[in-house]
Amino acid sequence: DGGITQSPKYLFRKEGQNVTLSCEQNLNHDAMYWYRQDPGQGLRLIYYSQIVNDFQKGDIAEGYSVSREKKESFPLTVTSAQKNPTAFYLCASSETVTNEKLFFGSGTQLSVL
Amino acid sequence: DQQVKQNSPSLSVQEGRISILNCDYTNSMFDYFLWYKKYPAEGPTFLISISSIKDKNEDGRFTVFLNKSAKHLSLHIVPSQPGDSAVYFCAASDDNQGGKLIFGQGTELSVKP
Repeated sequence: DGGITQSPKYLFRKEGQNVTLSCEQNLNHDAMYWYRQDPGQGLRLIYYSQIVNDFQKGDIAEGYSVSREKKESFPLTVTSAQKNPTAFYLCASSETVTNEKLFFGSGTQLSVL
Repeated sequence: DQQVKQNSPSLSVQEGRISILNCDYTNSMFDYFLWYKKYPAEGPTFLISISSIKDKNEDGRFTVFLNKSAKHLSLHIVPSQPGDSAVYFCAASDDNQGGKLIFGQGTELSVKP
């Protein structure tokens, strides 16, 4: 049963703490993405990766970091430099970066304690 | 700079009637448009898409219309069902930007029995 798995579903961050959100896909897709959703706003692109060991900044990359060491995995770290981290984070993948049809995970809700 | 706008945050429709969700865009280079449906605490799922070379695409109860001169697209759902209640995002892509999707803010559709 192919898909995208995000974990954890809920995450709490203390001030000054870095936290990492997990994203794994078994769709054999080359491209992976991280989006952030805030209430009343659309999905905004944080980072994306076209291929293993390569990633590009999206529109709101400040305060975030990613890695793509394996095709299946694209973890997102929310660093202490991200001053407003409370949001719903969505990971997605597509066959290639030029294939617009994205498949999304079920999301991680990050809140600040 | 909001390149894709959904100006109605919410829409309420009676079961069996037509739902019309609207989306406007500003970038004339967009050449592919998609609609995604999202339930609370879940990731969006792909619903229907349209290429800029077409003005209509139909899939069952869902039809997307594209008016390039007005930079406007709409999603029609006929007949609307209570299970259609969700947030609908329109998204657009420009091949010159590597196919990355730009999302609107979303419209929350409520279909009342």
